[in-house]
Amino acid sequence: AQKITQTQPGMFVQEKEAVTLDCTYDTSDPSYGLFWYKQPSSGEMIFLIYQGSYDQQNATEGRYSLNFQKARKSANLVISASQLGDSAMYFCAMRDDPGGGYNKLIFGAGTRLAVHP
Amino acid sequence: GAGVSQTPSNKVTEKGKYVELRCDPISGHTALYWYRQSLGQGPEFLIYFQGTGAADDSGLPNDRFFAVRPEGSVSTLKIQRTERGDSAVYLCASSLGSGGAGGKTQYFGPGTRLLVL
Repeated sequence: AQKITQTQPGMFVQEKEAVTLDCTYDTSDPSYGLFWYKQPSSGEMIFLIYQGSYDQQNATEGRYSLNFQKARKSANLVISASQLGDSAMYFCAMRDDPGGGYNKLIFGAGTRLAVHP
Repeated sequence: GAGVSQTPSNKVTEKGKYVELRCDPISGHTALYWYRQSLGQGPEFLIYFQGTGAADDSGLPNDRFFAVRPEGSVSTLKIQRTERGDSAVYLCASSLGSGGAGGKTQYFGPGTRLLVL
């Protein structure tokens, strides 16, 4: 069965510094996708970045980059130049493809990031 | 354009009552998902719609939970005989439903916080 593990319940970072949020996954499927979502206190899940298992390069989206290490089954999120507005819960998720042309997401337990001024 | 909207934002009910939660997906998105997020956990898949039909309802916890999407747009999650354990945030997401990674990215609404007393 597919599984996502986020081992850091909470992380602290100083404003303007970089921070890495860890995510490891387990799957026997050769084709899969990995997502990171941000959930501020308002509750909405905001899509940040996506990495496909066959993508040759690590995904980047502005200040977000995904450190994808396939052999280690890790997909860590790197946030550069942290801002106070980055304080939120961050969820790593894996795309489960049960067939039929759709995917459901399997989420980790999340990491709460606090950015200090 | 407008994102996914959910109503009500908060719902307080008594044990044994019936509740309906509404989701209005992004215009043009054919795929619609419901997830449930308990306190301190990541979201868990409940049900998926492609168009009007429920293609996968394997995540519904029991037969008290039911969802419909009669016209292929708005969806309603219905919970009968609510129990205190049903208290959670119910999240709705939509996607294009096809077309590679971009089409499969799910965009979430703000959620409905359900409290069963």
